[in-house]
Amino acid sequence: EPEVTQTPSHQVTQMGQEVILRCVPISNHLYFYWYRQILGQKVEFLVSFYNNEISEKSEIFDDQFSVERPDGSNFTLKIRSTKLEDSAMYFCASSPGLVTDTQYFGPGTRLTVL
Amino acid sequence: AQSVTQLGSHVSVSEGALVLLRCNYSSSVPPYLFWYVQYPNQGLQLLLKYTTGATLVKGINGFEAEFKKSETSFHLTKPSAHMSDAAEYFCAVSGDGGSQGNLIFGKGTKLSVKP
Repeated sequence: EPEVTQTPSHQVTQMGQEVILRCVPISNHLYFYWYRQILGQKVEFLVSFYNNEISEKSEIFDDQFSVERPDGSNFTLKIRSTKLEDSAMYFCASSPGLVTDTQYFGPGTRLTVL
Repeated sequence: AQSVTQLGSHVSVSEGALVLLRCNYSSSVPPYLFWYVQYPNQGLQLLLKYTTGATLVKGINGFEAEFKKSETSFHLTKPSAHMSDAAEYFCAVSGDGGSQGNLIFGKGTKLSVKP
């Protein structure tokens, strides 16, 4: 069964450093998402991406964040200058369509900012 | 704005007992409702969803949920718990007018199953 994959599973970085989290969505899906979950808190929507552009983003997704689909298979989330409060589990998801379609989630990348 | 409240961060049941995980939502438009499960070190997996039509929805692993508009609820049930049901369960809503499908999640309920 096709699945969403994410690398790395755990990333440790120093505050102020740039990190890139990578995701490979399911191949025939058209919509891609990033969510995050700070320890003990809710899973929060960050951004959705369709047709090579951002379709929606939350207040969390400020200028420090960017997303890209560089090669037609990978979907990346970049954090330019990490802060301590960026420490969280980051989930990638993909879906064939919008709203009523199931979003398939990857296993997550745990980001630890020191 | 939409929101989801899951009552009880931890629920413990005995094997064979009824599982009831509560979810209430708020939405200004007809909601689409989802239950996801997360096993340790894994991603979120869809259990079931309600979009339109029949309000009692059946999902995988014997779970079901009923959409009750009058109560703004979408509680998850399973008649008989198995040890393998131990996991964290998340209720989510989407479908807000301007939304492009982003899910709004509850805080999650961790289910423990005692032998």
